[in-house]
Amino acid sequence: GQNIDQPTEMTATEGAIVQINCTYQTSGFNGLFWYQQHAGEAPTFLSYNVLDGLEEKGRFSSFLSRSKGYSYLLLKELQMKDSASYLCAVTDSNYQLIWGAGTKLIIKP
Amino acid sequence: GAGVSQSPRYKVAKRGQDVALRCDPISGHVSLFWYQQALGQGPEFLTYFQNEAQLDKSGLPSDRFFAERPEGSVSTLKIQRTQQEDSAVYLCASSLGGVDSGANVLTFGAGSRLTVL
Repeated sequence: GQNIDQPTEMTATEGAIVQINCTYQTSGFNGLFWYQQHAGEAPTFLSYNVLDGLEEKGRFSSFLSRSKGYSYLLLKELQMKDSASYLCAVTDSNYQLIWGAGTKLIIKP
Repeated sequence: GAGVSQSPRYKVAKRGQDVALRCDPISGHVSLFWYQQALGQGPEFLTYFQNEAQLDKSGLPSDRFFAERPEGSVSTLKIQRTQQEDSAVYLCASSLGGVDSGANVLTFGAGSRLTVL
């Protein structure tokens, strides 16, 4: 079967750095997405990786290793507004998006 | 429009009632998706449209669920004879290209929260 694993919940301190991991087992691979979802709101796009390596976008970076079936989202200089769920999703060989359950990130002052 | 609009935002239905959830995607977006999201979970795929064609409905949980997009724009998800297990947030998302067009970024609506009593 197809599977996306990410930690259920993480806690970090304002101003610090946090890394949210995602491992996947899918039938084929056509890209990996990270989305942010605040409670009661719509998921919003953060990043897309299709090749191995690091993609940096301001305070957020996303890394992909296709051989390991592994990605992480790195958030720097954490702000209280970063408290949200972070969803990892992989596009499989049929171009269907397979979603993880999300990681709830709690930021403490 | 500027974003994806869904209505109603909240719907309470008695078990056995029919409900209709509406999605107004971003103008010009080819692809439209419906997802079901339970509390604390990721979105679960329900169905996909490319323009007016429903190309994948493999995620619809039963024949009580029906979706349409007759003119390739607004879409409606209909649930007949609602059951308590249908209680969830129903998310609609649209994207500019087809699913195989590279980084197919989805723009989501805020969702319709359905509670079946």
